Amino acid sequence: QSVLTQPPSVSGAPGQRVTISCTGSSSNIGANYDVHWYQQLPGKNPKLLIYGNTNRPSGVPDRFSGSKSGTSASLAISGLQAEDEADYYCHSYDYSLSGSVFGGGTKLTVL
Amino acid sequence: EVQLVESGGGLVQPGGSLRLSCSASGFTFSRYSMHWVRQAPGKGLEYVSEISSNGVYTFHADSMKGRFTISRDNSKNKLYLQMSSLRVEDTALYYCVKERETSSWTGFDYWGQGALVTVSS
Repeated sequence: QSVLTQPPSVSGAPGQRVTISCTGSSSNIGANYDVHWYQQLPGKNPKLLIYGNTNRPSGVPDRFSGSKSGTSASLAISGLQAEDEADYYCHSYDYSLSGSVFGGGTKLTVL
Repeated sequence: EVQLVESGGGLVQPGGSLRLSCSASGFTFSRYSMHWVRQAPGKGLEYVSEISSNGVYTFHADSMKGRFTISRDNSKNKLYLQMSSLRVEDTALYYCVKERETSSWTGFDYWGQGALVTVSS
């Protein structure tokens, strides 16, 4: 069981908007630690998509956005494209474990 | 260009040992915390270990404590993961990962291609 909980899968049609949730607790997201998101395309290594809850690294399209509230965070992808089909992971820090934690990952299918 | 290149993976029997190395280039290695993250076949990401920029602070996830040791040599721009008492469930692709900023908990901006460790008799 992952410390951060994500839905195993989400799906959407091209052009639609989808959101992926990441639910934590008072010892990680709720303790005001930042949430980061990664995209892992099939057969590739993970790529940083969102850092510090809402920030996009250079080169990441503004179709990707992040938010955080209370003990949860979300990744939104608008204008879905076929190339967005990938696994997405949230990541934060947990003070009770004294280390980083990942969500279990969410597989995005573009219909 | 930042590059992280892992080496040292392979097939090992249960109870055996293995040392992974990661050669870093394209950034000032000695200024950044570094990490190991693993991914079992068909599974999600699992955090393994962290080491501070000067090597003084280290962290290992609970399931690796006492078996894995992270270390670094800033003079050689190298990161290491010494793994012992290996179990079948340690089979995974092990990624060498760079902290995004020189402070902590800022996200991981570069990932190596991974070193495959297979534990099997």
